[in-house]
Amino acid sequence: AQSVTQLGSHVSVSEGALVLLRCNYSSSVPPYLFWYVQYPNQGLQLLLKYTTGATLVKGINGFEAEFKKSETSFHLTKPSAHMSDAAEYFCAVSEGSGYSTLTFGKGTMLLVSP
Amino acid sequence: ETGVTQSPTHLIKTRGQQVTLRCSSQSGHNTVSWYQQALGQGPQFIFQYYREEENGRGNFPPRFSGLQFPNYSSELNVNALELDDSALYLCASSPGQDNTQYFGPGTRLTVL
Repeated sequence: AQSVTQLGSHVSVSEGALVLLRCNYSSSVPPYLFWYVQYPNQGLQLLLKYTTGATLVKGINGFEAEFKKSETSFHLTKPSAHMSDAAEYFCAVSEGSGYSTLTFGKGTMLLVSP
Repeated sequence: ETGVTQSPTHLIKTRGQQVTLRCSSQSGHNTVSWYQQALGQGPQFIFQYYREEENGRGNFPPRFSGLQFPNYSSELNVNALELDDSALYLCASSPGQDNTQYFGPGTRLTVL
C-alpha cells in the first residue's frame, strides 16, 4: 500500500521568502511522485513530477522538488514566494506505470503575506 | 488543445436521490479516473476506466458506479445519496500507460 504524509496543514511565508513544503511517502515499489496545486474553487494543476532519472525536478512557476530515496521524501521548494503562489498544494504518489492511481496527501495551504 | 471538462459545475441534491456527473477527457487520453475530495481533504480515488473497462476501484461502495464511452468520455453515477457524499468530484485523464493525470475543474455536489 502507498501513502503520503504532508507535514504542516498550513505554511506561512513572506513575499520573497523561500517556500518549503514537505512531503514524505511510503511505497512498496519505486514510486512516481507528483505535486499539484489547487486554487480556490478549481481543479488540480500539475506542478511537476518525478518518474525516473534525475532526482531534481523542475516544474512550472519556478517550483522544484528533489526525490530522496533514502529519506522517502519529495519536498517542494521555490526560492522566492510570490503573492500568486498562495494556494493549496498536494503531494501524490503512484506505484509505477500502467495502473496510474494517485494517492494524495491531505494538502498544505500556503499563505503568502506582503 | 482542450483540457479535461466536467459538467455540471455545481449540483444540489437531497438524500436518497441519484446523480450523474460527466467528464470529457483531454484529446488523445484513453484513461479516466474519478476522485472525491471532501472539504479540507486530499482527493480520494474512486475508480478508473481504461478503454471502456473498469481498471481499478478504491474503497467506495457499489452505489458509486461509472461508465466510459467509445470517445473516452465518462460518467460517474451515485445512487441513494447520503449527506457524506457532499464533496468536490474530480475527473482526471491520462494518455494510457503514462502515469501523469490531468484534472478537470470538478463538480461540487451538495447533498441536503
